[in-house]
Amino acid sequence: SQKIEQNSEALNIQEGKTATLTCNYTNYSPAYLQWYRQDPGRGPVFLLLIRENEKEKRKERLKVTFDTTLKQSLFHITASQPADSATYLCALDTGANNLFFGTGTRLTVIP
Amino acid sequence: KAGVTQTPRYLIKTRGQQVTLSCSPISGHRSVSWYQQTPGQGLQFLFEYFSETQRNKGNFPGRFSGRQFSNSRSEMNVSTLELGDSALYLCASSLDPATNEKLFFGSGTQLSVL
Repeated sequence: SQKIEQNSEALNIQEGKTATLTCNYTNYSPAYLQWYRQDPGRGPVFLLLIRENEKEKRKERLKVTFDTTLKQSLFHITASQPADSATYLCALDTGANNLFFGTGTRLTVIP
Repeated sequence: KAGVTQTPRYLIKTRGQQVTLSCSPISGHRSVSWYQQTPGQGLQFLFEYFSETQRNKGNFPGRFSGRQFSNSRSEMNVSTLELGDSALYLCASSLDPATNEKLFFGSGTQLSVL
């Protein structure tokens, strides 16, 4: 069956450290993978998109990698800040006009 | 530019009733998708509309339906509500008509079924 797993439900890290979130998938062949941030009571906000033929994408303090052999994406936040505390969702698109979302990792950055 | 607007923000209904939720996409966006979010299941795809046509549908019963109007605004309807329908219903719009790259989500409608 198809599955998208995000490494842990919750992750706590110290301010200034790098947070690394994992997204693993099985039985999908995604054309691309997206990462979203969701704050309580709000809808997800798009952060980054990486295509199947790209290895890495960066945007300011964010970095995403995509390994289609391992069927895994890693999402890094460097120099983390308390304002980065949120739930982060990965989403796969197989090109069929709908996204499949993971259940998310709730990140807490401790001052 | 205004973001995706969903109304109402909160809704309380009882079992057996029906409900209609509304979504206004970002101006110029013609693709509208609906998702259900629950703590246990996460975000699950309901359906996607483009130019008033449903292009794709998720694995939900026929009680869940939707439509899109000529101005791209969309509504979803849930009939014969069940307790398990309690969830945050999210609408998202997209600029690209061919794919769902970069979805813009509204803040959702929190539906509670009693």
